[in-house]
Amino acid sequence: NAGVTQTPKFRVLKTGQSMTLLCAQDMNHEYMYWYRQDPGMGLRLIHYSVGEGTTAKGEVPDGYNVSRLKKQNFLLGLESAAPSQTSVYFCASSYLWESSYEQYFGPGTRLTVT
Amino acid sequence: AQKVTQAQTEISVVEKEDVTLDCVYETRDTTYYLFWYKQPPSGELVFLIRRNSFDEQNEISGRYSWNFQKSTSSFNFTITASQVVDSAVYFCALSENEGQNFVFGPGTRLSVLP
Repeated sequence: NAGVTQTPKFRVLKTGQSMTLLCAQDMNHEYMYWYRQDPGMGLRLIHYSVGEGTTAKGEVPDGYNVSRLKKQNFLLGLESAAPSQTSVYFCASSYLWESSYEQYFGPGTRLTVT
Repeated sequence: AQKVTQAQTEISVVEKEDVTLDCVYETRDTTYYLFWYKQPPSGELVFLIRRNSFDEQNEISGRYSWNFQKSTSSFNFTITASQVVDSAVYFCALSENEGQNFVFGPGTRLSVLP
């Protein structure tokens, strides 16, 4: 099992450019999440999905869009990148275990917007 | 609204000392889950423990122990006889609403000096 993988690992964008981050999991998990991590602020939830074809907003959704066309993939899009979106992005997936939702994290994507 | 507070931004200890990382949470739900994650310098997020709101038993795993007290809304983490490899950022997290709300604290950076 590869677990949770993220593509790409690093990216540099210019302001106004667009890009898509790909998250893939091979654990058949229902839930998937996108977070951003900024210094001193922990992880903040951007969007999440509770199943194929469904998405919902998290704490900081502005400037991002997501799609979950296949159960194993969760895409995060930036339509017009801004320097404030410079961050490390983590994807996670989770399953129902004794009514808990333990999250498994990908290795992260470091994005710099200049 | 749910919230997780980790008041200690940074802690430094000398190897073999014991250290406790504090976590205080806020939630209106009666059913919720608490987690601790470790983020070593390499950047990945490593799951350490899960605890549900109905189980207040303390847990010990090797040099790690956790103290969950609903009366004070705290879920503190103690490392006994710390080692240099324990140096990392530690995050406390809260999940409610059946996994649809996941909130992380800002993290505590622990440095264990040889």
